[in-house]
Amino acid sequence: QVQLVESGGGVVQPGGSLRLSCAASGFSFSYYGVHWVRQAPGKGLEWVAFIRYDENDGYYVDYVDSVKGRFTISRDTSRTTLHLQMNSLRGEDTAVYYCAKDAGFYGMDVWGQGTTVTVSS
Amino acid sequence: QTVVTQEPSFSVSPGGTVTLTCGLSSGSVSTTSYPNWFQQTPGQAPRTLIYNTNTRSSGVPDRFSGSILGNKAALTITGAQADDESDYYCVLHVSGMWVFGGGTKLTVL
Repeated sequence: QVQLVESGGGVVQPGGSLRLSCAASGFSFSYYGVHWVRQAPGKGLEWVAFIRYDENDGYYVDYVDSVKGRFTISRDTSRTTLHLQMNSLRGEDTAVYYCAKDAGFYGMDVWGQGTTVTVSS
Repeated sequence: QTVVTQEPSFSVSPGGTVTLTCGLSSGSVSTTSYPNWFQQTPGQAPRTLIYNTNTRSSGVPDRFSGSILGNKAALTITGAQADDESDYYCVLHVSGMWVFGGGTKLTVL
């Protein structure tokens, strides 16, 4: 059964950093990519980033313009958890962050439950 | 900047049929936009209904169907039920990025 579990959310001051994690089970990062999507309080969904690894450990990654240069996706050595490193955080980054399994380049098919990030002084 | 458009709200009677749409501020939606549709109730994570235009996600009843209607993607719900009352979001693949619509609040009454 495919499952994703996010963690690492919390309260951070503007300009600070936070690392979110997305633990996956039931599928391999070698065959499926992962999206990060966020939802600000009372607002709609916003796509943040996507990463897909290949069998040779190469990868493709992309970010929405508003986080380029501040957010970075990485994978831990267990190869079952992805991390979203968020630096230089701003108030507008306050949101629930979800990771979602890629549906074979065609979108998102399974979602995690989300983790909340609050950027506030 | 590409904007994905959705009806802000819609209502349907129990047992009725409703079609929600997902368009582009400029241009047409096609299958190469890989439209996805998601259902979200307050406080819950989104649930994927449809991806790649018309592929139902696992466990989604066939009351939900996706298509291209004219120059927009469409989500049709037949035999609407009370628990279909939710927010519905679409997302399109545009210029290498995924862009969500603002969502449609569906009321069943």
